[in-house]
Amino acid sequence: EPEVTQTPSHQVTQMGQEVILRCVPISNHLYFYWYRQILGQKVEFLVSFYNNEISEKSEIFDDQFSVERPDGSNFTLKIRSTKLEDSAMYFCASNVDRGTGELFFGEGSRLTVL
Amino acid sequence: DQQVKQNSPSLSVQEGRISILNCDYTNSMFDYFLWYKKYPAEGPTFLISISSIKDKNEDGRFTVFLNKSAKHLSLHIVPSQPGDSAVYFCAASRQGDKLIFGTGTRLQVFP
Repeated sequence: EPEVTQTPSHQVTQMGQEVILRCVPISNHLYFYWYRQILGQKVEFLVSFYNNEISEKSEIFDDQFSVERPDGSNFTLKIRSTKLEDSAMYFCASNVDRGTGELFFGEGSRLTVL
Repeated sequence: DQQVKQNSPSLSVQEGRISILNCDYTNSMFDYFLWYKKYPAEGPTFLISISSIKDKNEDGRFTVFLNKSAKHLSLHIVPSQPGDSAVYFCAASRQGDKLIFGTGTRLQVFP
């Protein structure tokens, strides 16, 4: 069964460092998303991406965040200068269309900022 | 702004009995509702969904009920099994837009 894969599974970084989280969505999917879950809290929307551009972003997704799909298969989330409060589980998700809202999630990348 | 709420952080049910997980929402523009199941260290997995034009959707042991007038939905699992023990998230979307998740309910099914 096709699945969304994410790397790394866990990354530890120092505050102020840049981090890139990588995702390979399901191959025929057209819509891509990043969500995050701070420990013990709910899953929060960060950004959606379609047709090589951001379609929507949340208040969390400030200028420190960026996304791109550099090669038609990978979908990356970059945090330019990490803060302590960026520590969370980051989930990539994809969807073949927007009709149902049913997203397929990866297993997540745990980011720990020290 | 909690548009989707799950007021019970945890639920404990005996194996074989019914589990009922509840969810309330505030935005009447939501037109699709979903339940996701999440195990520790894994991503959310889609379980079942319902369109706002329906009031019930059933898939095996899982049934979702929607009460639009009360802005309330529930997930029924019957019979509950130990493997159902996980965190269940309710989510809602509007016209296939981003999912808005609730805070989750941890279900524990004991033998």
